[in-house]
Amino acid sequence: DIQMTQSPSSLSASVGDRVTITCQASQDISNYLNWYQQKPGKAPKLLIYDASNLETGVPSRFSGSGSGTDFTFTISSLQPEDIATYYCQQYDNLLLFGPGTKVDIK
Amino acid sequence: EVQLVESGGGLVKPGGSLRLSCAASGFTFSSYSMNWVRQAPGKGLEWVSSISSSSSYIYYADSVKGRFTISRDNAKNSLYLQMNSLRAEDTAVYYCARDTGRVWGQGTLVTVSS
Repeated sequence: DIQMTQSPSSLSASVGDRVTITCQASQDISNYLNWYQQKPGKAPKLLIYDASNLETGVPSRFSGSGSGTDFTFTISSLQPEDIATYYCQQYDNLLLFGPGTKVDIK
Repeated sequence: EVQLVESGGGLVKPGGSLRLSCAASGFTFSSYSMNWVRQAPGKGLEWVSSISSSSSYIYYADSVKGRFTISRDNAKNSLYLQMNSLRAEDTAVYYCARDTGRVWGQGTLVTVSS
């Protein structure tokens, strides 16, 4: 079975900082990876699909890269409204989610 | 507008049953596989079950196998999750999600408690 790991599990950064989250799959998943943002009490919101494609309407400060087993999610300039938990999710074989990264403001 | 709307959640006693529904609109429901994903309070996202577009292929997480049944009615643009023998650890918000996860519903809360 595929395993997904994500790091860090949490981070604090200042407004305007560049924030990077990594996600690793235990086997090659090509580019079959989504990134979501989830705020308390809300459904996950898709930000990035196919590892690097920005979902329509999502601000360009969000980006994703990688393929195979190693993936990166970046917020180029952290904004107060970006406080949330971020999840990676593979869809090469069913759906499997990373454990999440909680992002807050320092 | 592409939309998924879950319903059917509520409070149920351990050992009880509940049937969740997910109504789809704004896309050709019969062309897509569908999924149920849940999130226990304060926890991460957990895939529960998937069903192919024609119901030919069905998959379950080990945690619900033998207790939950996924189904769909393409004529009614609806997805279902029949949950039997419910346990406290099944308490979660249940989301339906389209194929690879491009579209999600708002979720419905299932609470299993005596």
